[in-house]
Amino acid sequence: GQSLEQPSEVTAVEGAIVQINCTYQTSGFYGLSWYQQHDGGAPTFLSYNALDGLEETGRFSSFLSRSDSYGYLLLQELQMKDSASYFCAVKAGSSYKLIFGSGTRLLVRP
Amino acid sequence: DTEVTQTPKHLVMGMTNKKSLKCEQHMGHRAMYWYKQKAKKPPELMFVYSYEKLSINESVPSRFSPECPNSSLLNLHLHALQPEDSALYLCASSQGSERGTEAFFGQGTRLTVV
Repeated sequence: GQSLEQPSEVTAVEGAIVQINCTYQTSGFYGLSWYQQHDGGAPTFLSYNALDGLEETGRFSSFLSRSDSYGYLLLQELQMKDSASYFCAVKAGSSYKLIFGSGTRLLVRP
Repeated sequence: DTEVTQTPKHLVMGMTNKKSLKCEQHMGHRAMYWYKQKAKKPPELMFVYSYEKLSINESVPSRFSPECPNSSLLNLHLHALQPEDSALYLCASSQGSERGTEAFFGQGTRLTVV
């Protein structure tokens, strides 16, 4: 089976930088994705890492270390609208199988 | 068009009712998914269709029955549900390839079983 662990909650100040970690245990790993979900909304895709290293998309960056079964999402220049739940998700066992981590609630304070 | 459309948005049903949830995408994606999400919990994978065939069933009870009539449509038939089945049901689609990245989610159907 698969298991993914994330911190349950993170609080940060507007304009700051925050890192959300994800550790995983899977078989047949394809890649690690990150999704954002606002309360009452649908998950929306942020980034995907199939290979080791850093992927940067605007204010968001994601990192993967396959040897450590570890990844993180880095959010820079935090804005109030970034307050949401963030999920890491693995494609594992099948290129079609997308399993979500427990999620991290990010609260951005003024 | 990068949209996944789900209907209805809200559904209240009794434990003896039969209802269906519908999902539609026109992005040419070959994988379509059903997820169940309880409040403050992650989406939980239920079913995956690839090329209109059921490829993954995460040991979902038979009172949930998926159907993929064509490459753009995905249904979830509900029968004899329990109150604990009340949740947000999310449909998603993706390219499904090994290097495919993004899954697109619909806004979900909020289901209440009474």
